[in-house]
This record gives sequence, structure tokens and C-alpha cells, in this order.
Amino acid sequence: QQQVKQSPQSLIVQKGGIPIINCAYENTAFDYFPWYQQFPGKGPALLIAIRPDVSEKKEGRFTISFNKSAKQFSLHIMDSQPGDSATYFCAALGSSASKIIFGSGTRLSIRP
Amino acid sequence: KAGVTQTPRYLIKTRGQQVTLSCSPISGHRSVSWYQQTPGQGLQFLFEYFSETQRNKGNFPGRFSGRQFSNSRSEMNVSTLELGDSALYLCASSRDQQEEKLFFGSGTQLSVL
Repeated sequence: QQQVKQSPQSLIVQKGGIPIINCAYENTAFDYFPWYQQFPGKGPALLIAIRPDVSEKKEGRFTISFNKSAKQFSLHIMDSQPGDSATYFCAALGSSASKIIFGSGTRLSIRP
Repeated sequence: KAGVTQTPRYLIKTRGQQVTLSCSPISGHRSVSWYQQTPGQGLQFLFEYFSETQRNKGNFPGRFSGRQFSNSRSEMNVSTLELGDSALYLCASSRDQQEEKLFFGSGTQLSVL
């Protein structure tokens, strides 16, 4: 019940395409859903986050879609660029869950 | 403002040895958490420290331990190293306990031979 399932494991998209990464959770106590971006040799960095009271959040080219009833959320990257090539982790956190749970990660490659 | 600093950057140890990793959080951040990152298991939470006290612990054996000092700096220790302990160990800091936004260091890459 504490797991966050992330898919796909890897993804290759042409420049300008819209990669979509999906995550699903079971614990309804989660109330904060961040996405982290990690480049090789670096630690993860917070990219964008959403709470269950909204269905969508946009920050620049990055959008989170949230489906509370399905307990799923996804990251969309508009007009993807080679510089977006990185590993992306979804995560979930709740005040009562007490620790952050990460998805397994998606290695995204944007072809020029 | 300096980011989270982890030392050393790389470590090579042999089975049975012990290792200590260090983490200096962002100035003013009082919470430090540790994570193990492996290709197969992803990012797994080890423990969180706040005000020199362990506030939460993940599902790791007792060989994994840590501590936090009064200046919020933290150390993580792994005793009796096993081959499976080879991983990238990441430290993250946040302003307060269970703060939602985490700031990660670049990690310590541990190889156990």
C-alpha cells in the first residue's frame, strides 16, 4: 500500500514530442505528489508538484495531470528538448505517511 | 547559497569493512534524510534526522545507521559491508521535519568489492 508504481521504465521521444510518464498509488493518505528530475552525476531536483485538490498544474513546459479517483498522476513535457533527457522520479508524501515514497524512475531520452 | 554537500564523492571498500558518509545541509536547513539509489530498486528512504534525533527509518538492516550533529550536519555509517550495499547514497535537506521540498546533494557512489 506504500508503493508508487511508475511507468514506463524508459522512453525515447523525438525532439518536440510530448513524453508522458505515469504513476499510480494506493495509499489515500498521500496528499503531496512531486516529480524530481535527475541528470547523470547529480542528485534529484524538484521539478513540479501537485496536491489532490487540483486536477492539473503547469510550470513552463511541464504539466502534471492528477486523477484522484483513479489514484494516478502523470507528467507531460511539452515541446521536449534534448536537454530534458534525464531520469524522472514521481513520489508521494502524506502528513500521516511520514516518509516520501519514490517511484522506480523513468529514463527519458529526447532525440535531436 | 551553497547547496547540499556530500563527501566523499566516490568510495571503494571491500566486504566486511565499514564506511562513513558525510552530508552538510543547506545553511538554515534542520532536517536531513538519506536515500539509497540502485538501478534495480530506485530511490529508497533510509532515515531522517531532525534536531539530532532520528525521526523516521526505512526498511534497512541495523548495519545502516546515522546521526546528526548540533550544526545539522549528518553522517551515515554502514558496517560489515556487503556486495549489495554498492549504490549511490544521497542526502537531502529541508528546512523542517517532513518538509515537502527536498534539496538533494550529488551523492556518494559506494562500490563494495
